[in-house]
Amino acid sequence: GQQVMQIPQYQHVQEGEDFTTYCNSSTTLSNIQWYKQRPGGHPVFLIQLVKSGEVKKQKRLTFQFGEAKKNSSLHITATQTTDVGTYFCAGPSVRDSNYQLIWGAGTKLIIKP
Amino acid sequence: GAGVSQSPRYKVAKRGQDVALRCDPISGHVSLFWYQQALGQGPEFLTYFQNEAQLDKSGLPSDRFFAERPEGSVSTLKIQRTQQEDSAVYLCASSIGGLAGRSYNEQFFGPGTRLTVL
Repeated sequence: GQQVMQIPQYQHVQEGEDFTTYCNSSTTLSNIQWYKQRPGGHPVFLIQLVKSGEVKKQKRLTFQFGEAKKNSSLHITATQTTDVGTYFCAGPSVRDSNYQLIWGAGTKLIIKP
Repeated sequence: GAGVSQSPRYKVAKRGQDVALRCDPISGHVSLFWYQQALGQGPEFLTYFQNEAQLDKSGLPSDRFFAERPEGSVSTLKIQRTQQEDSAVYLCASSIGGLAGRSYNEQFFGPGTRLTVL
């Protein structure tokens, strides 16, 4: 069935280092959403990408949507302790629906002490 | 309200007990979703409501799971005869849109209910 895969599962960085998570879909996506879940919290929407090759920035966060609309990435420059959490990508189901999202397993960002 | 609320936040049930989890979505939001999230995993879709209509329940793991949204606002997820494998965080999310167009709207999540079945 349709899958959305994220790598890596975990990434340990020193504060100030960069962080990147990659999202790959088994199917072409009409759009992709990114969410952040802090430890003990719930997913919070970050951004939605729609266009092929789209790049969007939010301060130190850069989101990209691949040309083929099957992959996406989130890059954080100069990580801070407030960035700690799990980052999820989610894409629409290819079934005849326009509401269901298929979620990746997430990449957990851990700041080394 | 200002956001999505869920109650209880934590629930401990003995195996075989029935539980009911409540979700209060953002006022005016048409769409309501229930997800199950296991530790270290992404949310897994359970069911979807557009107003009071349950349009998709394909993610419900068994017939012990039942969800309703009778007046198109508050929703309840009921689990009968709970089993240990039901232990998870149950997340509710709402979004403003329904089936209009093919756009996927941002989902707003509640804090979740952590269910532990002993």
